[in-house]
Amino acid sequence: QVQLVQSGSELKKPGASVKVSCKASGYTFTSYAMNWVRQAPGQGLEWMGWINTNTGNPTYAQGFTGRFVFSLDTSVSTAYLQISSLKAEDTAVYYCARDEVATMGWWFDPWGQGTLVTVSS
Amino acid sequence: QSVLTQPPSASGTPGQRVTISCSGSSSNIGSNTVNWYQQLPGTAPKLLIYSNNQRPSGVPDRFSGSKSGTSASLAISGLQSEDEADYYCAAWDDSLHGWVFGGGTKLTVL
Repeated sequence: QVQLVQSGSELKKPGASVKVSCKASGYTFTSYAMNWVRQAPGQGLEWMGWINTNTGNPTYAQGFTGRFVFSLDTSVSTAYLQISSLKAEDTAVYYCARDEVATMGWWFDPWGQGTLVTVSS
Repeated sequence: QSVLTQPPSASGTPGQRVTISCSGSSSNIGSNTVNWYQQLPGTAPKLLIYSNNQRPSGVPDRFSGSKSGTSASLAISGLQSEDEADYYCAAWDDSLHGWVFGGGTKLTVL
């Protein structure tokens, strides 16, 4: 079945970097774009951007430029989110979500299980 | 402040019908389809409704979606205790060139 499995929780100090992975299975990885979504503690969902898994070209949403980098390793069907110069406000659960596109529209399905990144000194 | 506006909470008793609204603008709901996601406590969001009113396989027909102009609604009939979750609407925004979400509605089954 189509599945996205993310890496485990991370505890980092301010100023450090973190790399979250999202391994896809059950479909052709390069046929579907991948999105990243952030959910701060007790808050709603915020779209961070997406990466074209065919070309590797990333697109970042407003507020997610500079310290956030999307990348791929297509040989292992894995997407990555790297965040540098971590701040306390980066503490959140980060989700990857596959883009599903059809003539009637497009949506996110499935989602990864989420990776909690905690930034604390 | 979310681009799409949802009520922060909703509630109902088992068997009741509840609706959750999602209000947007001409650049998002007014010109693109709406999707709904269900987030059960402590879990990842899951696709509930896509393209305004389509249910993925496995989603009970108790869940339905609709859209009119710049607003959308999610209706849940025959409310069950396992429907207690957060519900989010989402749409592509042509002005922002990105996806926007509602702030989420916490549904409580009394």
